[in-house]
Formats: sequence, C-alpha cells, structure tokens
Amino acid sequence: GAVVSQHPSRVICKSGTSVKIECRSLDFQATTMFWYRQFPKQSLMLMATSNEGSKATYEQGVEKDKFLINHASLTLSTLTVTSAHPEDSSFYICSARAGQLNSYLTDTQYFGPGTRLTVL
Amino acid sequence: DAKTTQPPSMDCAEGRAANLPCNHSTISGNEYVYWYRQIHSQGPQYIIHGLKNNETNEMASLIITEDRKSSTLILPHATLRDTAVYYCIVKYYGQNFVFGPGTRLSVLP
Repeated sequence: GAVVSQHPSRVICKSGTSVKIECRSLDFQATTMFWYRQFPKQSLMLMATSNEGSKATYEQGVEKDKFLINHASLTLSTLTVTSAHPEDSSFYICSARAGQLNSYLTDTQYFGPGTRLTVL
Repeated sequence: DAKTTQPPSMDCAEGRAANLPCNHSTISGNEYVYWYRQIHSQGPQYIIHGLKNNETNEMASLIITEDRKSSTLILPHATLRDTAVYYCIVKYYGQNFVFGPGTRLSVLP
C-alpha cells in the first residue's frame, strides 16, 4: 500500500517552455502533498506544501509564479514549471501524506519515483 | 541547525547486518525518529519510524537508546539492493520533513 506515482519520469524541453508534472496517490487519499527538488549530489529541498482545495504554501526563495501547484483532488497534485530555464533542470519529487493528523501512522510521507527535468 | 548527525558513508559486506547510527542529542520528548532511504535516481522510500520504543518491520529494526539521544537502523541481512543513501530525520508530529545529507551505504559483494 501507500504508492505514489509521478508522470512523466523524464522530460527534456527547450528553454522558455512550460512543463507539467503529475503526482498521484494510487491507493490512498492524500490531504497534503509536497513537492521537493534535488540537485546532483545534494539532498532533497522542500519547495512547497499543498492541501487539497487550497492554495499551496511555498518555502522561502521558491517563486510561486514560476512553480505553479494545483491540488484539485485527494489523489492528484500537479507542478507546472513555467518558462523553464536551464537552471531549473533538476530532479523533482513529490510526496503524499495520508489522512488526518490524528494517527501515529498518517504522519508518514510516501514519495513518488521522481521526475528528471532537463531544460536545454 | 541540523537535528541529526550521521556518518557520511559506510560499507557493509553482503549478507551481514548493516548498522547505521544517527545522533540526535537535542531531540525533544515528542519528536519522532524517521528513517528513509534513497536509491540512486529514485524517490525516497520509507523504512521505519519510532518515538521511544524499539521498532521492527519487514525491512529493518530501529533501536532507540533509553535517553533517546541516538538511534541505530539495522538491516539484518544486507543485499546489494540495499545500497542507497539513508536519511535519519527527527521531527514533531505534523512537522515537515527536513532531509540532511544522510549516510551513503555501500553493500559490497
């Protein structure tokens, strides 16, 4: 159980284009989803937190107009990188937290396999 | 400030137990200890977590010292597929996960 998928797994695009990445919780409902970015040989950095039906909360230094997040349902969140540039090339990973914050188990986050974005 | 300290790398022989230490000397009474691992070019995988008591599941065992200032993740019979970066994370319930550099475990044939 607790499987999270991401699509696409890999994308190459030209500078200036927009790229959408989907994150789905396959066997549970995720009230909260998270987006991370990981540069080579570095650890994961949280970009934003999104709750179903509300606006995302962005970490300091992350441009909300550049990284658009939509969490329209309990099983789907999307990250759109707008007007992508080479410096946006990175490994983008989503995670999902199940249920209400009232259980020992539901604070655990389950991560997707990641999306490798390369901007030429 | 980092809440945890882990060795940057470790080696382990295939078939032997891998014992990964984590120091969290400033842990608070209601902070949990979580372990995740990340195999190259994949998303992190949840392994185990605990509060005070030792925990065991099908993947690993988590041993937390009585004073809770350190813990050890034990992979009882390491295989080559256990080669990964292992992250020890300390956090309050509901708090976001903060990933440090972790320990790069290499399982050697």
